[in-house]
Amino acid sequence: DIQMTQSPSSLSASVGDRVTITCRASQSIGSYVNWYQQKPGKAPKLLIYAASTLQSGVPSRFSGSGYGTDFSLTLSSLQPEDFATYYCQQSYIIPRTFGQGTKVEIK
Amino acid sequence: EVQLVQSGAEVKKPGESLKISCKGSGYSFTSHWIGWVRQMPGKGLEWMGIIYPGDSDTRYSPSFQGQVTISADKSITTAYLQWSSLKASDTAIYYCARRVVLTGYPHFDYWGQGTLVTVSS
Repeated sequence: DIQMTQSPSSLSASVGDRVTITCRASQSIGSYVNWYQQKPGKAPKLLIYAASTLQSGVPSRFSGSGYGTDFSLTLSSLQPEDFATYYCQQSYIIPRTFGQGTKVEIK
Repeated sequence: EVQLVQSGAEVKKPGESLKISCKGSGYSFTSHWIGWVRQMPGKGLEWMGIIYPGDSDTRYSPSFQGQVTISADKSITTAYLQWSSLKASDTAIYYCARRVVLTGYPHFDYWGQGTLVTVSS
């Protein structure tokens, strides 16, 4: 299986901050990375696919980048509704493994 | 509107069997893979497996192969996840999700609301 390692596991930030979450794959996976947001008690929501393509309806303050083994999700200006847990996922091969998650909390 | 509606919460005893469901609507059910994802209490997401309802082609994660069975009934646009003998460690929320492929890149674009399965003696 491909291992997806996110960092940090959690972070505290303030509204308006720029936040970056990284995800490293255990082998090269091209641009086969998706990012999801999950709020407590809710199903995950797709934010980005193909490493950098914004899903329809997702605010433009979210962006993704990376290729090969190193990827990142950036929130340009954190909003109150962005406090949640974020997961990367590789879609290169089955099983399509997720990272362990990054919890973004209010400072 | 695309919707995936999952069956309700279940409380079972170890050793019992269980089948939970995920009903798709608002799209061509037979044209998109449906995946299942586990979330144990307080933990992250785990990809379990995926089925193509058009022909019931199924793929499993090695971690779940032999532990669960994924199936689908296209006549009623419903996918299933089942256990023949539950264990306490199966306690989790289980999500179904629709897989799409855009520009060659697969991803889950719509998710069910989740089904909480509690296994306790």
